Amino acid sequence: QVQLVESGGGLVKPGGSLRLSCEASGFTFNDFYMSWIRQAPGKGLEWVAYISFYGTTIDYAGSVMGRFTISRDNAKNSLYLQMNSLRAEDTAVYYCANERGGWLDSWGQGTLVTVSS
Amino acid sequence: EIVMTQSPATLSVSPGERATLSCRASQSVISNLAWYQQKPGQAPRRLIYGASTRATGIPARFSGSGSGTEFSLTISSLQSEDFAVYYCQQYNKWPRTFGQGTKVEIK
Repeated sequence: QVQLVESGGGLVKPGGSLRLSCEASGFTFNDFYMSWIRQAPGKGLEWVAYISFYGTTIDYAGSVMGRFTISRDNAKNSLYLQMNSLRAEDTAVYYCANERGGWLDSWGQGTLVTVSS
Repeated sequence: EIVMTQSPATLSVSPGERATLSCRASQSVISNLAWYQQKPGQAPRRLIYGASTRATGIPARFSGSGSGTEFSLTISSLQSEDFAVYYCQQYNKWPRTFGQGTKVEIK
């Protein structure tokens, strides 16, 4: 069955960096756009970034533009999110998900990123 | 960006009753709307896409309707496992945006 497993979260100081990973299995990875979505504690969902099948199309939410970079390695069935210049407001659970035409089909269990001094 | 507004924020319903949740878009999203269910401590789960198409494995008691700017999700007879937070999401334009959620709680 489809499985998405995020890793790489943790505690980081403001201004620091983290790289999140999402390992996919159970489906043909390069047949799907992939996305990162986040959820601040007790809050709603925010789409962070998405990437097309081979990485030719990428877009970001305005709140992370210029600080975060989404990428993928289809040979490793993996999705990444490089997060730089982290701020307190980036504290959230980060989910990866595969996308079908704009809606999110399968989701990982999430990884918590905490930005605090 | 397109703002999605859900109402009510909280809906108190007895098991077996019908629940209707609303979602309004600040501009037309045609039928490019999805609904998700999220239980505490879990990732969201997709329910509906294309405003009215149930995703694989979703029970028939869940139905979606609407187009343009007004949408609804109906749960025909609430089961214990349906008490959760529900989010709508438009995918007509980037950035994809979610509503703030409706919590369906036990009355």
